[in-house]
Amino acid sequence: DTGVSQNPRHKITKRGQNVTFRCDPISEHNRLYWYRQTLGQGPEFLTYFQNEAQLEKSRLLSDRFSAERPKGSFSTLEIQRTEQGDSAMYLCASKLSSSMNTEAFFGQGTRLTVV
Amino acid sequence: AQSVTQLGSHVSVSEGALVLLRCNYSSSVPPYLFWYVQYPNQGLQLLLKYTTGATLVKGINGFEAEFKKSETSFHLTKPSAHMSDAAEYFCAVSGAGGYQKVTFGTGTKLQVIP
Repeated sequence: DTGVSQNPRHKITKRGQNVTFRCDPISEHNRLYWYRQTLGQGPEFLTYFQNEAQLEKSRLLSDRFSAERPKGSFSTLEIQRTEQGDSAMYLCASKLSSSMNTEAFFGQGTRLTVV
Repeated sequence: AQSVTQLGSHVSVSEGALVLLRCNYSSSVPPYLFWYVQYPNQGLQLLLKYTTGATLVKGINGFEAEFKKSETSFHLTKPSAHMSDAAEYFCAVSGAGGYQKVTFGTGTKLQVIP
């Protein structure tokens, strides 16, 4: 499968615990995005990487959130001291950064439930 | 900065009827416009996109959309709804070129009534 892969698909955690999600982008896609989608809303931008460099972070990304893409391939999103408000679907997308390639391909998401 | 407004969070149509989902955008630079579809507990799938050139763009599953700069609109249409079209649809905008992040609207949930 050459699509964007996200793991796990579902995560239930107790409030205050740390969680980490993984995204494997399409091979050779140099740009990787993280979005958060809450019930009844569209995806909201969190952050993106160009290769291993994190180029932009949304103000939605509090200091409890951290994202990495150490080798410019897969990325992880960690949430520390989870809160109930963190419950959402976390979506990853990747694309080739080129004016000729405008489409981002999305993974199936990781649904986080904080209880 | 870019933003998208989708009119109507829920739209119901009868099977075989015209589907019209409305989207208006705001962009300080020439926009690229997208429609994505999302099925329950799934990621987003691109239906169609407008970048440059022809303002009427055709996508998958019989959907099409027309970019109207004067109206800042990019409405999605399909002549005849099918039960399998029931899903949530998101309009999205980015700045021209492949370098900008994509900003999404709040979505329109399409219900198809048999």
